[in-house]
Amino acid sequence: DADVTQTPRNRITKTGKRIMLECSQTKGHDRMYWYRQDPGLGLRLIYYSFDVKDINKGEISDGYSVSRQAQAKFSLSLESAIPNQTALYFCATRQTGQNTEAFFGQGTRLTVV
Amino acid sequence: GDSVTQMEGPVTLSEEAFLTINCTYTATGYPSLFWYVQYPGEGLQLLLKATKADDKGSNKGFEATYRKETTSFHLEKGSVQVSDSAVYFCALSDAGGTSYGKLTFGQGTILTVHP
Repeated sequence: DADVTQTPRNRITKTGKRIMLECSQTKGHDRMYWYRQDPGLGLRLIYYSFDVKDINKGEISDGYSVSRQAQAKFSLSLESAIPNQTALYFCATRQTGQNTEAFFGQGTRLTVV
Repeated sequence: GDSVTQMEGPVTLSEEAFLTINCTYTATGYPSLFWYVQYPGEGLQLLLKATKADDKGSNKGFEATYRKETTSFHLEKGSVQVSDSAVYFCALSDAGGTSYGKLTFGQGTILTVHP
């Protein structure tokens, strides 16, 4: 099994719908992240969490919310999806520390029509 | 805040050519620097890292040296292969202030290697 699992892998949804992207990890790491990838813009941080009770906004959190249900689970929600949220979304986890490696899921391709 | 700037892409090379992908950064503290690679249809994976000035990270024939004086971490490979075709991301992790715990990425550079 993969270290970081994202579901669904692909999703098409309509404008205004609520959608949840899920992420689970088996690495036992404390830190979890949600990124969005757009062509030419790289990866931009949406939210990050250091533990179940510590959740922080990233650079593009507007229109998104998250839930850290357990150390291993970190969900991203779009409360009312809009077309410019069409993107590839990645979940990542890393151990505490400045030098530690991040482990990424395979991504969720979300299309909002 | 922290930022990472990579050279504009895409980069197209012939097999066995020399590769350089430029990366410069801005950080408030003393960051650790990383290169990640993304193969088609996959998530990112760590390629190499360097944690202090003048450190050289290396892996799979790729190298990058942490240059604090020029705030750079350029990726190089002496002879690329078709299998190196991917998207390459430069990233930094800074322990200081509001950057604590974050991993900041550059825009990514698409590399295509032809036989």
